[in-house]
Amino acid sequence: SQQGEEDPQALSIQEGENATMNCSYKTSINNLQWYRQNSGRGLVHLILIRSNEREKHSGRLRVTLDTSKKSSSLLITASRAADTASYFCATALTQGGSEKLVFGKGTKLTVNP
Amino acid sequence: DAGVIQSPRHEVTEMGQEVTLRCKPISGHNSLFWYRQTMMRGLELLIYFNNNVPIDDSGMPEDRFSAKMPNASFSTLKIQPSEPRDSAVYFCASSPFGLAGGRTGELFFGEGSRLTVL
Repeated sequence: SQQGEEDPQALSIQEGENATMNCSYKTSINNLQWYRQNSGRGLVHLILIRSNEREKHSGRLRVTLDTSKKSSSLLITASRAADTASYFCATALTQGGSEKLVFGKGTKLTVNP
Repeated sequence: DAGVIQSPRHEVTEMGQEVTLRCKPISGHNSLFWYRQTMMRGLELLIYFNNNVPIDDSGMPEDRFSAKMPNASFSTLKIQPSEPRDSAVYFCASSPFGLAGGRTGELFFGEGSRLTVL
């Protein structure tokens, strides 16, 4: 089963609206990261939030982490057509004595102009 | 600054052929990762090197897959023989911090190698 699962799988909004994507995970984590992937391109790191942090901001991005609920959310404010991409959460965890970075299957965001 | 460089970007081959994917990590990064991305399974970690040494290869599907990192600036992922189910996008990523002691930092991804096995 997937360690990190994003919700929703797909999201379509109008330019200027806010977009919220959620990520749930199953085991304790060291940190949680969000990445963006444009179609046909590699993943680009957006933001990292450590397990002892609750909220982090970067420009129009706001990430929250609730370790009691094992969930995180990514909020993109005042969305733009250029924000159209897939967004992935990745959980850094220790498993079997080694550390791993496990990606979810992503949320596909479409921002309509 | 140059990012992670992967080649080839696209590869179409026939079942049974050998495939070699190449990766040049960002200079100074001590960790390198190979991931595979498919619609069905998402992003899967295949293998992770730290200081050129394979640390975790539990994600390598089977003996047909092998990966090497002969020096800090080059890595290969080889599939021999290839099968249609190996069709996917293969990503290489590097990191200055690696995965150690709870300090997992961000990964820098290449643009990927799209493999199609007919």
